[in-house]
Amino acid sequence: AQSVTQPDIHITVSEGASLELRCNYSYGATPYLFWYVQSPGQGLQLLLKYFSGDTLVQGIKGFEAEFKRSQSSFNLRKPSVHWSDAAEYFCAVGARSGGSYIPTFGRGTSLIVHP
Amino acid sequence: KAGVTQTPRYLIKTRGQQVTLSCSPISGHRSVSWYQQTPGQGLQFLFEYFSETQRNKGNFPGRFSGRQFSNSRSEMNVSTLELGDSALYLCASSLDPVLNEKLFFGSGTQLSVL
Repeated sequence: AQSVTQPDIHITVSEGASLELRCNYSYGATPYLFWYVQSPGQGLQLLLKYFSGDTLVQGIKGFEAEFKRSQSSFNLRKPSVHWSDAAEYFCAVGARSGGSYIPTFGRGTSLIVHP
Repeated sequence: KAGVTQTPRYLIKTRGQQVTLSCSPISGHRSVSWYQQTPGQGLQFLFEYFSETQRNKGNFPGRFSGRQFSNSRSEMNVSTLELGDSALYLCASSLDPVLNEKLFFGSGTQLSVL
């Protein structure tokens, strides 16, 4: 069965600093990988996705992620964090089931941004 | 274009009661899925519907059920509520019914069971 591990429950960074959120997945086939962000009281919003091709993918809000098959990782990065980036971040892997792909989410990483 | 709409936003019930939550997907989206989000278990997949058919079901007891109507609107029902059913229930719709490459989430229904 597929699974996603986000090792960091909380991460604190200063505004303007760089950010890297870790994600490791377990899936027997070619993975479809996603990063979503959730602001307090809101649903999730897709930041970026990886299906195939270039292993470095660009997303919205200045985020990027790199797929490393050898490490089963899909880490999310941002060169300079803004206070508005404070939110919960979820990594997910899509697994084939019943004619579609169903995402399995990690437990999330809460990002705290200090001014 | 309107986003995914979930109603009600908040709900308070007592143990043993049943509840129905509603989800209106983005116009043109025919795939709808439901998730339960709790601090202890995180985001867990409940079920997925496409063209009024349940395609996938997560590992939840039979008290959790759902359906989808011909206009793609979806409802989920929880019968005989338990304290542990307190959660944020999220609905998501997708234009791509296979890859689900971009899920659009509603703001959720916060269910509290007393």
